[in-house]
Amino acid sequence: GQQLNQSPQSMFIQEGEDVSMNCTSSSIFNTWLWYKQDPGEGPVLLIALYKAGELTSNGRLTAQFGITRKDSFLNISASIPSDVGIYFCAGQPVQGAQKLVFGQGTRLTINP
Amino acid sequence: DAGVIQSPRHEVTEMGQEVTLRCKPISGHDYLFWYRQTMMRGLELLIYFNNNVPIDDSGMPEDRFSAKMPNASFSTLKIQPSEPRDSAVYFCASSFGAEKLFFGSGTQLSVL
Repeated sequence: GQQLNQSPQSMFIQEGEDVSMNCTSSSIFNTWLWYKQDPGEGPVLLIALYKAGELTSNGRLTAQFGITRKDSFLNISASIPSDVGIYFCAGQPVQGAQKLVFGQGTRLTINP
Repeated sequence: DAGVIQSPRHEVTEMGQEVTLRCKPISGHDYLFWYRQTMMRGLELLIYFNNNVPIDDSGMPEDRFSAKMPNASFSTLKIQPSEPRDSAVYFCASSFGAEKLFFGSGTQLSVL
């Protein structure tokens, strides 16, 4: 089946640093989504991307839909303690569009 | 607006017992998804419904698992009999058009 390779698996940074994570696949996706999961909660949608090359921001978060439609990245600028959590990418495949494919997640830890 | 509501938040049961997880999707959403999350396998799609009709249950691990959606505002996931390997966090998610999923807070299931 289709898979998303999300990296890095974990990050340990200092408060105030910028963060970058990405997802890649051998398959093309119609839509890319980025979610954040806090401990004990469900994933919350951060950003949705619909067109190849699209660059979208949500506050300190910026995400891009890769030109090849096979990758996406998420950047967080000037990290703060509440950014701690697990970030997931998800892709909506061309075939079977109702079944999102999720990455394995990037666990972000911030040292104050 | 109320989000996706799941109950119970935590369930501890003994092997062999029946477990029923409940979900109330966001009003107006036409898709409902059940996911399971474990450290080893990440987020796995178990089954999804469109307009209360089960569309794809290929992710349901065994016949011990069943799901129903008797109306647009309620769904259940049942495990009978439960086994220790079923221990995981179970999420319900809903969406309009199967694109941007909104997740509930999950049910933490522990089978002893």
